[in-house]
Parts: sequence; C-alpha cells; structure tokens
Amino acid sequence: DTGVSQNPRHKITKRGQNVTFRCDPISEHNRLYWYRQTLGQGPEFLTYFQNEAQLEKSRLLSDRFSAERPKGSFSTLEIQRTEQGDSAMYLCASSLGSRDSNQPQHFGDGTRLSIL
Amino acid sequence: AQTVTQSQPEMSVQEAETVTLSCTYDTSESDYYLFWYKQPPSRQMILVIRQEAYKQQNATENRFSVNFQKAAKSFSLKISDSQLGDAAMYFCAYRTTKGGSEKLVFGKGMKLTVNP
Repeated sequence: DTGVSQNPRHKITKRGQNVTFRCDPISEHNRLYWYRQTLGQGPEFLTYFQNEAQLEKSRLLSDRFSAERPKGSFSTLEIQRTEQGDSAMYLCASSLGSRDSNQPQHFGDGTRLSIL
Repeated sequence: AQTVTQSQPEMSVQEAETVTLSCTYDTSESDYYLFWYKQPPSRQMILVIRQEAYKQQNATENRFSVNFQKAAKSFSLKISDSQLGDAAMYFCAYRTTKGGSEKLVFGKGMKLTVNP
C-alpha cells in the first residue's frame, strides 16, 4: 500500500493559464474523490468517481474545472483560465467501495496551487 | 444541506493530559456517518476515528474516543494521554447515507498544540 499519490506537490502559474493535476489512488480502490482546501478552512468536496464514472459533482466545480478518470485508475483535474480565487490546496482521496459503504477515504498530500 | 461546526479554532494541552475537541452538526437525517480526521503540518489527512449514527455505543480507538450525542447533534473527540505527535489540525466531518452521496462535509478545523 503506497498511499494516494498526487503530482505535482506545488504549482505556481500566472492567472489565465491552464493547469492539470494528477492523482494516483491506492491500488484496488475503486472510488476517487477531489476536494479543495483554502487557508483556514476544511476541505470542500468537488467531485467523486466510482471506477471511470463521475457520479457526483459539487456546484463548486464550475465549467472551468474538469476531472477525468479514463481507465478507472488515476485521475486528472484540470482548471482552465485560472483565477486568483483558484489558489488552494487540491486534495485527492480514494476508498474501496462496497456494500459496507462506510469505508474511510484515504487522502494524498495534496497539490498546492498558487496563482500569480 | 448539512453543516459541521467546530467552534474552537485553537486549543492547547500539556503532554500526557486529556483534551476534548468539540463538534456540532446540523442535519435532518437519522442515519449518517461522522468522522474525525487529523492533518499534521505539511502532511496528509489521516482518519482518527469514525462513528455510525445508528450505533449508540461511542467509538474508541486506543487513546481516542468520541462522545456522540445524537439528540444534541454533538460529536466530540477526547484524546487521552496526549502526545507531542498529536499536534495537528483536527477536522470533524459528516457523510450522509442517502442517495449514494459519498462526499464528506468538513468543519473548519481546530489547531491542537501539545506542550511538553
């Protein structure tokens, strides 16, 4: 169990640029989640995949945000035309979905995005 | 919509002492899950303890235990024999059991300092 891996750890970009983050979940975890955490706040849910299907999206996920999980393994989160307000820590988590749905979500270290 | 409130932004405790972190939540549902997560500085979020709302017995994990008061919608975390490694941000989180939603709703967090 190597844990949830996120890349890059830090991303600095100019406003208006596009950025893409990657998340590799714990192997065999079929559920994958993206959260955003701003300074002094708890994480806020963005979206959730079960295998390759995106099953839930938050209203926070504007049309500038898109997430994919093409083969049900790793996932990418892309932000187009970045804005100052996008500066945050983007957290990925994964879990093993089952009938006992209270399986814990395991978090990665996050990708910190800074918009200049 | 469900909300989670952690009213104490910071607390401190002496090493080996006991500390209680408070959390309240608002929901109209009768069945749900509650969690405490720990986020050490610059490290990933880790699950500390979880509670199913239908269980009357309070969850316990080694030095960590909860006081779950369903009628009062309160879910406090007690840390016994505090250790330096317990210093972290602690987040209380809620998850519904309905509609297939998997999102965690987090409070703003509380910073715990452990003094030697």
